[in-house]
Amino acid sequence: DIQMTQSPSSVSASVGDRVTITCRASQGISSWLAWYQQKPGKAPKLLIYAASSLQSGVPPRFSGSASGTDFTLTISSLQLEDFATYYCQQTNSFPFTFGQGTRLEIK
Amino acid sequence: EVQLLESGGGLVQPGGSLKLSCAASGFSFSTYAMNWVRQAPGKGLQWVSALSGSGSSTYYADSVKGRFTISRDNSKNTLYLQMNSLRTEDTAVYYCARASGNSYGPGFDPWGQGTLVTVSS
Repeated sequence: DIQMTQSPSSVSASVGDRVTITCRASQGISSWLAWYQQKPGKAPKLLIYAASSLQSGVPPRFSGSASGTDFTLTISSLQLEDFATYYCQQTNSFPFTFGQGTRLEIK
Repeated sequence: EVQLLESGGGLVQPGGSLKLSCAASGFSFSTYAMNWVRQAPGKGLQWVSALSGSGSSTYYADSVKGRFTISRDNSKNTLYLQMNSLRTEDTAVYYCARASGNSYGPGFDPWGQGTLVTVSS
């Protein structure tokens, strides 16, 4: 199975900050990497697919990038509504696997 | 509007069975692969199972293989998850989610609101 290692597990930041979350795959997954945002009591929401493609309706302050087996989600200027938990997921091969999540908290 | 609505969750004893349903609307259901994903209380997301649009190909996480069965009725635009031999560790919110593209990926969108399954004596 492909392991997805996310870091950090939690981060504190302020409105307007730039935040980066990293996900490392245990083996090559090409660009089959998605990022999700989840708020308490709600279903996850797709933000980024194919490592760097922005899902329709998602603000452009969210971006994704890839370098080998390392993937990054960047929020360029944090807004109040961005404080949530973020997950990466590989869909290269079954079983699909998620990272353990990164909790983004208000400083 | 594209929408998924789960139902069928509840309290069940260890060793018991439960069948979840996911009603889809707003898109051509039979042309999309579908998935079940679960989230134990206070924990992260775990992919459970996937099913092709035709229903001919199925995939399972090792933790549920042999106990859970994914299926679909394309005439009713509904996805199912039959869960047998339930264990306490199966306690979670279960989400159905559609593949966002024309394969099993590249992401899942949309997701249903989730249905809670509690396995306890």
